[in-house]
Amino acid sequence: AQKVTQAQTEISVVEKEDVTLDCVYETRDTTYYLFWYKQPPSGELVFLIRRNSFDEQNEISGRYSWNFQKSTSSFNFTITASQVVDSAVYFCALRAGNTGKLIFGQGTTLQVKP
Amino acid sequence: GAVVSQHPSRVICKSGTSVKIECRSLDFQATTMFWYRQFPKQSLMLMATSNEGSKATYEQGVEKDKFLINHASLTLSTLTVTSAHPEDSSFYICSATSGGDPVETQYFGPGTRLLVL
Repeated sequence: AQKVTQAQTEISVVEKEDVTLDCVYETRDTTYYLFWYKQPPSGELVFLIRRNSFDEQNEISGRYSWNFQKSTSSFNFTITASQVVDSAVYFCALRAGNTGKLIFGQGTTLQVKP
Repeated sequence: GAVVSQHPSRVICKSGTSVKIECRSLDFQATTMFWYRQFPKQSLMLMATSNEGSKATYEQGVEKDKFLINHASLTLSTLTVTSAHPEDSSFYICSATSGGDPVETQYFGPGTRLLVL
């Protein structure tokens, strides 16, 4: 079975704090892809990152960083020095198999207070 | 690049009417498009997958006669909610993948908020 779990339903931080959003996935496939999307209040999903199962290198993009660990089936997302504009719902997603379908986690609502 | 648009962004209709939602890939050819619905404070639920020129593949529990999907060209897919009822009120989002992207990242449209009165 394929599954994505985002255990944190809501997180609230004060601006400039660092925050980590957790994502744990389940799949029996050896080849798969992991994604993070941001959904601001406007509703549009914004693609943030894509990772394949053979690349465990962590990635940093500005204030965003991702930690992929196959040993724990986790793909966590950290925002450093958070800003109010980071307030949104963040979804972790898994693509496995050949269908192209994405399996989404339940999402984590991040609120960054000024 | 990889811009997906949806029209309309918001629609209010009376119960029993049909509503058509368009999804367009603006700067790439979308070999595959996906349709999702999202209820408030919930995750995205895949409704169907459509490939250009062929019939859509619906997820279990999604009525194909209620949610008609047409993917007539490589840049346009439409979702028609037939005989809409209040329980169909939701946020509908499409996504598209480009055959040229080997990893097939899904790029999402801005969504359509449907309210059925």
